[in-house]
Amino acid sequence: DQQVKQNSPSLSVQEGRISILNCDYTNSMFDYFLWYKKYPAEGPTFLISISSIKDKNEDGRFTVFLNKSAKHLSLHIVPSQPGDSAVYFCAASTSNTGNQFYFGTGTSLTVIP
Amino acid sequence: EAGVAQSPRYKIIEKRQSVAFWCNPISGHATLYWYQQILGQGPKLLIQFQNNGVVDDSQLPKDRFSAERLKGVDSTLKIQPAKLEDSAVYLCASSARGANTGELFFGEGSRLTVL
Repeated sequence: DQQVKQNSPSLSVQEGRISILNCDYTNSMFDYFLWYKKYPAEGPTFLISISSIKDKNEDGRFTVFLNKSAKHLSLHIVPSQPGDSAVYFCAASTSNTGNQFYFGTGTSLTVIP
Repeated sequence: EAGVAQSPRYKIIEKRQSVAFWCNPISGHATLYWYQQILGQGPKLLIQFQNNGVVDDSQLPKDRFSAERLKGVDSTLKIQPAKLEDSAVYLCASSARGANTGELFFGEGSRLTVL
């Protein structure tokens, strides 16, 4: 049972444009959400997070939006850079299950120079 | 600050053989996780430790997989006997906090190929 879904396996954008990566979840108990970035042959690295008490969190070129009613979150990268090319995973957790994180299947982003 | 260390990075074995992976989390991190990532999929939690106690091992195939975290620091994940479908990257991660506001720090992973 996939509780966190990323329906777009891949995305290509032009350098300088906006990249929008989407994530949907089914468990309404999730209250903390994270995005991870993964390069080949490396482990995932933390990018940005958002608590369910917020609907937006911004860190430099990266902004995460949360729509609790739609059980949807998105990651915006603007402007996109070639170094952003990687696989992006969203993850979710619930505060009452002891810090367990559930991951989506990932979206491979390619930023074209 | 040293990151999460894992070894070996790569392992090729034949089915029915055994394999063990080792993880050293970030110093002071109480929570340690083992994830399995099959090609094209997201990481799937196998087991979560809080210090040296198991918090969740509901998705660990206990007939062939075992894990321990003696002394609440290093951890080993063992597969015996291995099956073809165990081919995956095994990711170890650690977290500093017990609440849900901490992020996971991942190691580089151990890639297992079962022939």
